[in-house]
Formats: sequence, structure tokens, C-alpha cells
Amino acid sequence: ETGVTQSPTHLIKTRGQQVTLRCSSQSGHNTVSWYQQALGQGPQFIFQYYREEENGRGNFPPRFSGLQFPNYSSELNVNALELDDSALYLCASSPNLALGTDTQYFGPGTRLTVL
Amino acid sequence: KQEVTQIPAALSVPEGENLVLNCSFTDSAIYNLQWFRQDPGKGLTSLLLIQSSQREQTSGRLNASLDKSSGRSTLYIAASQPGDSATYLCAAGGSEKLVFGKGTKLTVNP
Repeated sequence: ETGVTQSPTHLIKTRGQQVTLRCSSQSGHNTVSWYQQALGQGPQFIFQYYREEENGRGNFPPRFSGLQFPNYSSELNVNALELDDSALYLCASSPNLALGTDTQYFGPGTRLTVL
Repeated sequence: KQEVTQIPAALSVPEGENLVLNCSFTDSAIYNLQWFRQDPGKGLTSLLLIQSSQREQTSGRLNASLDKSSGRSTLYIAASQPGDSATYLCAAGGSEKLVFGKGTKLTVNP
């Protein structure tokens, strides 16, 4: 039982636009990570938030930014969308940063298409 | 930098066959090794997690092994079924992030 939800399920944007994706963590989880999965590829780590602060970041440009709220829900914002940003975006929550990746629970993902 | 490779990229087998999926990783300093299943257009379903101190984990018809010294993990699926058709991803777990391979697309033919 994961309890992680993401919205929207699908999204279509045009190049240059901005997008916000949302993740609702499982109750009690204070750590959230975001991953990008391009078609035919494995997910790639974008960043992690712990108690509303960015805790780690992968090889993504600054136009990828995030927020984590006091209720531990989270947003991923992408500015100046590019065609290569088309992907499935996954969030994963964890009950405690110290537990590391042992207890990450993934949401169903948001499919973003950039035209 | 951790890199994860999965071989083969695709596999097609007849129903009932036992099969092995392979995963290799370059940095043995992992916290865990995880196997996921992904159906087309869907999110990830966790299958098995092997802690760095463990050698294998089993769940039903699935058995995963881990050899840190050689940087390898295998996922063994017994008596495959058409419902096992999916992409299988392995991921090397660090303290904060998972590093994934590109996956093996499995097709089990009735």
C-alpha cells in the first residue's frame, strides 16, 4: 500500500510554456524525490526534498525546480519547456530521510507531452 | 558515478519457461538493489529489495540475488506466465536516490 498520488495523470504543453506537477505523499512521509523517465529509458533522479528543503539534485538544469509544503505534499515546476522534457514524471515518498532509498514508495506518474 | 546496465534489453519466451534477467552496476557501495515492474504507460511496482548485506530475496515465483563484489544482480522468474509480460527495471539504491537501468522488456507468449 503506497498511498502516493500524482496529478494530473496526463498533460500536454507547448514548447516554452511552464508546467507544475503535483505529488501527495503518503501520510507521515517527510521526504519526497522526483524522477524523470523518458520513453525507453530508466527513471533519472531530478531532486529530493526533506522537510521543505532541497536535499540533493541530479543532473538537471535550474529550470527544473521544486517545492515541498508543510503537509509534505510536493510540486515539480518546469519552466521554458523543451521537446525533450516529454516524459513520465514520478514522485516517490519516504517516511524518513535516514531510511534512505529502502522505503521509497512511488506514485503512478504524470505523463507530460511537450509539442 | 553509478551506472546500471540491464541485459537483455528485450526477451520473448513461451509460457512456462524459467528465465533470468541480468543487472550490473559499477559502484559496489550501494545501500540496496531493487527490482521493479513497469506496465506500459504506468508507474513502478516494487518487486524485491535486497539490502546490501543480503545475498537474495524471494517472493512467490520471483527470486533476486545480489553479488556486490562482482557488481551483479539477477532476477529469476519461475514458470513464466503471460501476465508477467512487462518491463523489469533494476535500481541501485544509494542514501538518497535510486540509479536505474534501462530495463528488460519481457514478453511471455501463451
